[in-house]
Amino acid sequence: EAQVTQNPRYLITVTGKKLTVTCSQNMNHEYMSWYRQDPGLGLRQIYYSMNVEVTDKGDVPEGYKVSRKEKRNFPLILESPSPNQTSLYFCASRGSRLPYTQYFGPGTRLTVL
Amino acid sequence: SQQGEEDPQALSIQEGENATMNCSYKTSINNLQWYRQNSGRGLVHLILIRSNEREKHSGRLRVTLDTSKKSSSLLITASRAADTASYFCATGPDSNYQLIWGAGTKLIIKP
Repeated sequence: EAQVTQNPRYLITVTGKKLTVTCSQNMNHEYMSWYRQDPGLGLRQIYYSMNVEVTDKGDVPEGYKVSRKEKRNFPLILESPSPNQTSLYFCASRGSRLPYTQYFGPGTRLTVL
Repeated sequence: SQQGEEDPQALSIQEGENATMNCSYKTSINNLQWYRQNSGRGLVHLILIRSNEREKHSGRLRVTLDTSKKSSSLLITASRAADTASYFCATGPDSNYQLIWGAGTKLIIKP
C-alpha cells in the first residue's frame, strides 16, 4: 500500500530536549516536505526536499532541521524545542512531475512543555 | 506562503443539503487541487482541476475554475455526516515548484 508514515504520532516533551520525528514514504517520490498546522493558520511549510541531499527552507524554518540522506526518509529534527513549537506536524511526498499531487502522513501531535 | 483563501471559514448545514466552498488565489496557476482533512488526520487529495479546464466532477464532488476571476468552487451534493471535515485548496506551482495552501473551510454536517 502506498503510504507516508510518521513516528511518533504523539509526543510530549520538555523545553530544550532534542527530538526527531521520522517520515518515510514507499512511493519512490523525489519530493518530500514538512508542514506544521496551527489553529487558524492553516498549513505552513517548514522545509522541503526536491531530492536526496537537496533541502530548502519553507515559510517557517526557524528552530527546525532536516536531512535527506535516503530517498524514502526525511526526518524533522528539533534541536532545542520550545513551547511555540507545540503543533500538529505533517510530512508529505509527491512525484517530480505535474500536477504535484501530495500524499500526507497521518500527523504527529507535539506538545512542548 | 499562503495564496489560496477559502470562503467561508466555517460552514454548518443539514445532512442532505449541498455544501459549496470557494477558493481564491492571486497568481497564475497550472492546476488547483482540493484536499479533505478529517479532524487531526492527514490531508487526502480529493480532486484536481487544470488551468485549461472549467469544470470537473467526481462522484458527489463538482469543482469549477474561473481563471479570469482567479477563483474555484467545490460543491458537495447530498451531504452526509461523513463529509464533516476541513477542506483545503492548493494552487500551484509557484516559482519554487511548491503548492500554495489556503487556510481551509471547516464543514460540519448536522444529522
